[in-house]
Amino acid sequence: DTEVTQTPKHLVMGMTNKKSLKCEQHMGHRAMYWYKQKAKKPPELMFVYSYEKLSINESVPSRFSPECPNSSLLNLHLHALQPEDSALYLCASSHLTGTSYEQYFGPGTRLTVT
Amino acid sequence: AQKVTQAQTEISVVEKEDVTLDCVYETRDTTYYLFWYKQPPSGELVFLIRRNSFDEQNEISGRYSWNFQKSTSSFNFTITASQVVDSAVYFCALSEAAAAGNKLTFGGGTRVLVKP
Repeated sequence: DTEVTQTPKHLVMGMTNKKSLKCEQHMGHRAMYWYKQKAKKPPELMFVYSYEKLSINESVPSRFSPECPNSSLLNLHLHALQPEDSALYLCASSHLTGTSYEQYFGPGTRLTVT
Repeated sequence: AQKVTQAQTEISVVEKEDVTLDCVYETRDTTYYLFWYKQPPSGELVFLIRRNSFDEQNEISGRYSWNFQKSTSSFNFTITASQVVDSAVYFCALSEAAAAGNKLTFGGGTRVLVKP
C-alpha cells in the first residue's frame, strides 16, 4: 500500500477563518512533508517532520502551523491566511533509512482564500 | 546548492510516438538520489522511478526507460509508444538522504501532451 490520504480535497476560507488540513499514511514512513504548489510551478517544500519532530521549516510564515500527533498523521493549521496563499497543498511521506527515499504524495488539498 | 533543470517546458506528440524528457542536475554531494514524478491534471504527484547515485545501470520498466549518466549529470526519461493517459506534467527531482528528511529539489517540469 503506497497511499497517502489528504482531507479535505477542496477548501475555501476567508482571511479571518481558522482551518486545518489533514494527512495520513500507513506505510511506516518516519518522515512527513508539507508542500505548497502554485499553478504551473513545481512544489515548494514548507515543512519536514522527522521521527515526529519538526526538522525543517523553510521560513514559512507563522500563519501556517504544522503538527505531527503521531507517526501516521500530519496536520497543517491555517489562520489569518492571505489570498496569495491560495494553492494546492501536498502532503508526502518517505523512509529515512535504507535506500528507498522516494516520497509518496497525497492527492492534495486545493485551497482558495477569499 | 542543488539545482535541477528541465529545459523542455512543453512537448506535444501524437499517440504511439516516443517521448524523451531531459533532466540535468547539479550537486556537490557524492551520494544523492534522482527521481521522476508524474502529475496528471488531477494534481496528485505520482512517483515513477528512482535512481541512486552509486547505481548507473539503466533500466526499462514497461513503457518507461531512463538513462542516467553521471559524467554529464543527466537523468533522461523516455516513454515508449505514448498514450493519451501519459498526458501530464513530469518533474525530475534530486535529493540527498539525511536524517532530517529528504529535501527534494524539483526541476521546473515538462508538460507532455499526447494527442490521439
